[in-house]
Amino acid sequence: EVKLVESGGGLVQPGRSLKLSCAASEFNFNDYWMGWVRQAPGKGLEWIGEINKDSSTKHYTPSLKDKFTISRDNAQNTLYLQMSKLGSEDTAIYYCARYNTFLAFDYWGQGVMVTVSS
Amino acid sequence: DIQMTQSPASLSASLGETVTIECLASEDIYSNLAWYQQKPGKSPQLLIYYTNSLNDGVPSRFSGSGSGTQYSLKINSLQSEDVSIYFCQQSYDIPYTFGAGTKLELK
Repeated sequence: EVKLVESGGGLVQPGRSLKLSCAASEFNFNDYWMGWVRQAPGKGLEWIGEINKDSSTKHYTPSLKDKFTISRDNAQNTLYLQMSKLGSEDTAIYYCARYNTFLAFDYWGQGVMVTVSS
Repeated sequence: DIQMTQSPASLSASLGETVTIECLASEDIYSNLAWYQQKPGKSPQLLIYYTNSLNDGVPSRFSGSGSGTQYSLKINSLQSEDVSIYFCQQSYDIPYTFGAGTKLELK
């Protein structure tokens, strides 16, 4: 069974940085594009960005491009989201997800909560 | 960015009823449309991809259709476990935007 497990969330002060991890298992991680999606409390889903199989291509939603960086370590089967200059608007559950060949997210992690507050 | 307008925002239906949720894209997305189901406190789950392809393990009472800018998700014979929020997402152009969601409740 494909498994994606996020970690690294928690309470962080405004203006600080945080790095999330997503550990992948039970599939060939380096064969798949991966992405991050977030969901503010009680709100809808927001696509953050994606990374291709060998990290040579990354795309971001424009409003987050200068704050967030997606990376991956195929040897460790791990996806990352580096977040900087965090503000209260970044408070959300962050999900990592795997793409299928039709660019739909066919597997999602359980999500990790990030709370930005002083 | 492509805007995805989902309707209705909420929907109340009876067991066994057929319901339809619509998604309107601000431009042609050439069938690159997926539907997700999210139950309270859970991660979203893929139901339909590329407009009308049923994801593995999804009951056949779920179906998708559409083209161009207009897409829909139909649920036949509504079951209690279908109470969820449903989201559409386009994957034609970056950023891959989601609709605002439709909350489906039982009447």
